[in-house]
Amino acid sequence: KAGVTQTPRYLIKTRGQQVTLSCSPISGHRSVSWYQQTPGQGLQFLFEYFSETQRNKGNFPGRFSGRQFSNSRSEMNVSTLELGDSALYLCASSLTGYTEAFFGQGTRLTVV
Amino acid sequence: AQSVTQPDIHITVSEGASLELRCNYSYGATPYLFWYVQSPGQGLQLLLKYFSGDTLVQGIKGFEAEFKRSQSSFNLRKPSVHWSDAAEYFCAVGAGGSYIPTFGRGTSLIVHP
Repeated sequence: KAGVTQTPRYLIKTRGQQVTLSCSPISGHRSVSWYQQTPGQGLQFLFEYFSETQRNKGNFPGRFSGRQFSNSRSEMNVSTLELGDSALYLCASSLTGYTEAFFGQGTRLTVV
Repeated sequence: AQSVTQPDIHITVSEGASLELRCNYSYGATPYLFWYVQSPGQGLQLLLKYFSGDTLVQGIKGFEAEFKRSQSSFNLRKPSVHWSDAAEYFCAVGAGGSYIPTFGRGTSLIVHP
């Protein structure tokens, strides 16, 4: 079966702009989590959505937001981009959030 | 809150040599423990996981890990490393029955021919 698909794979944005990243989970999975990966901070949990509701949230400013649609696809939005937002953003899907998580290949965001 | 420490930032081994990557966790109860591998430019792949039961866990690609409660450790081992094992390895802990892992900073494995 198809894995977790993240689009786009690469993105270059300018400071102050906003960006939307997309994640299509494995068919049947209802939990989608987002992570930010940077060399300095490692892998940090952003938030988790389950059945269109944000269920868990990490320690990120309000500029980072997300949503989940009825088909479980999820989007993550970052507004007013800063240079420090440059990172690999990873999405993971799980049947319920209490079962194994499968990761996508990530979206590499570069802010210039 | 739970946390994970991977004390080694880089590990260099020769192909064919044995490997042990260290992982220590902090959590009050029995955690869920994971090892993931990430190749350059790729997402994370789950190597193995521990929830309960047998403390020696077998994973994919010939890896195994041992949960030692007394040492709060979950070290990853492989008896003979292949050049294709060169990658970043992440230990992670899930708490409270959650599979949403908290990750360590990772250990970069370099394999010399």
